Amino acid sequence: KQEVTQIPAALSVPEGENLVLNCSFTDSAIYNLQWFRQDPGKGLTSLLLIQSSQREQTSGRLNASLDKSSGRSTLYIAASQPGDSATYLCAVKGGNAGKSTFGDGTTLTVKP
Amino acid sequence: KAGVTQTPRYLIKTRGQQVTLSCSPISGHRSVSWYQQTPGQGLQFLFEYFSETQRNKGNFPGRFSGRQFSNSRSEMNVSTLELGDSALYLCASSSASGTYNEQFFGPGTRLTVL
Repeated sequence: KQEVTQIPAALSVPEGENLVLNCSFTDSAIYNLQWFRQDPGKGLTSLLLIQSSQREQTSGRLNASLDKSSGRSTLYIAASQPGDSATYLCAVKGGNAGKSTFGDGTTLTVKP
Repeated sequence: KAGVTQTPRYLIKTRGQQVTLSCSPISGHRSVSWYQQTPGQGLQFLFEYFSETQRNKGNFPGRFSGRQFSNSRSEMNVSTLELGDSALYLCASSSASGTYNEQFFGPGTRLTVL
């Protein structure tokens, strides 16, 4: 059974700081890994999708990496802004291909 | 292109009642997945539909059911509601079932069971 862990559970940084969020998974037989952000009481917004054959993906100030062999992914946020404050979730799609397993998320607060 | 839409956005029901939630995927998407999100359990997979067929199912009791129509719109039904069913129900659409496709989520339906 796939288990996904995100550390830390919460993170508070001053504006402008670069930061890294971590996601680890127990079963390396994955199809893809997707990072989302969720604002309070809202749905999920897709940030980046990394296929199992890829090592990283970039979008603007965001960069996500994937190391399947070690069961890890990181989301790097450059030059953080208060608008980046949200909960960040990673989701792994694995052997049961239609199902994604989510971590519990990292709640990020960027202070002005 | 319009995003994933879910109706209603908010629902209040009492124990024992039943409820039906609706999800319209992005135009052209044929796969719809449903998730339950609660503070204690996080996001948990309910089921996935593709071309009107249930392809995958999570570990939820039979009170939770769903279906998909020929236009890819999907509904989920919860019968005999319990207090613990209070949650944010999210649906996600993707262009095809399974492996490599990006999921796009709707805003969710907030269900409160009293």
